[in-house]
Amino acid sequence: QKEVEQNSGPLSVPEGAIASLNCTYSDRGSQSFFWYRQYSGKSPELIMFIYSNGDKEDGRFTAQLNKASQYVSLLIRDSQPSDSATYLCAVNHNYGQNFVFGPGTRLSVLP
Amino acid sequence: GAVVSQHPSRVICKSGTSVKIECRSLDFQATTMFWYRQFPKQSLMLMATSNEGSKATYEQGVEKDKFLINHASLTLSTLTVTSAHPEDSSFYICSAKAVNEQFFGPGTRLTVL
Repeated sequence: QKEVEQNSGPLSVPEGAIASLNCTYSDRGSQSFFWYRQYSGKSPELIMFIYSNGDKEDGRFTAQLNKASQYVSLLIRDSQPSDSATYLCAVNHNYGQNFVFGPGTRLSVLP
Repeated sequence: GAVVSQHPSRVICKSGTSVKIECRSLDFQATTMFWYRQFPKQSLMLMATSNEGSKATYEQGVEKDKFLINHASLTLSTLTVTSAHPEDSSFYICSAKAVNEQFFGPGTRLTVL
């Protein structure tokens, strides 16, 4: 069983809509959770992180964490064509070790 | 966020040669750096974890004698691909850990002819 799972997509949404990206993880001891965005041919860039259950908002982005259900999601409001990219979910099992990345979900925002 | 640089950004070499890639954390000290490889349309694959002043920890299936990692200081880690072959052509990305966050370098695209 993969440690971090994501729907590979592509997920297509119209411009202006809300894009919802989901991620599940297997290790209940996971402490911190990250969302990265990767444009084609570029390296990943950190969008936001979340440590506690609930929602965390940053501009058009909202991360949601539910440790009991072992899932973390990313909502992108007012999606723009420039949001089209692959979104990687990463989980840190404890603060001293590597992050485990999901395979990524490809998002396509249609103008 | 913190800045991580990589050099070179792109390299083309002949089969059998060695290539060194540098990864630097520019505005913070990183006791731990990671090296990833990403083939086209595939996800990131962790190759090794590099800790300053100690030997790197390699993931299963990654040849440590082929991919030499040196983390000589808190701001610099290098990856040397020895005797590169066409199948080593890939996008190599380093990242540096700052407290509880991980920041990526811009990547190095290696093409072995």
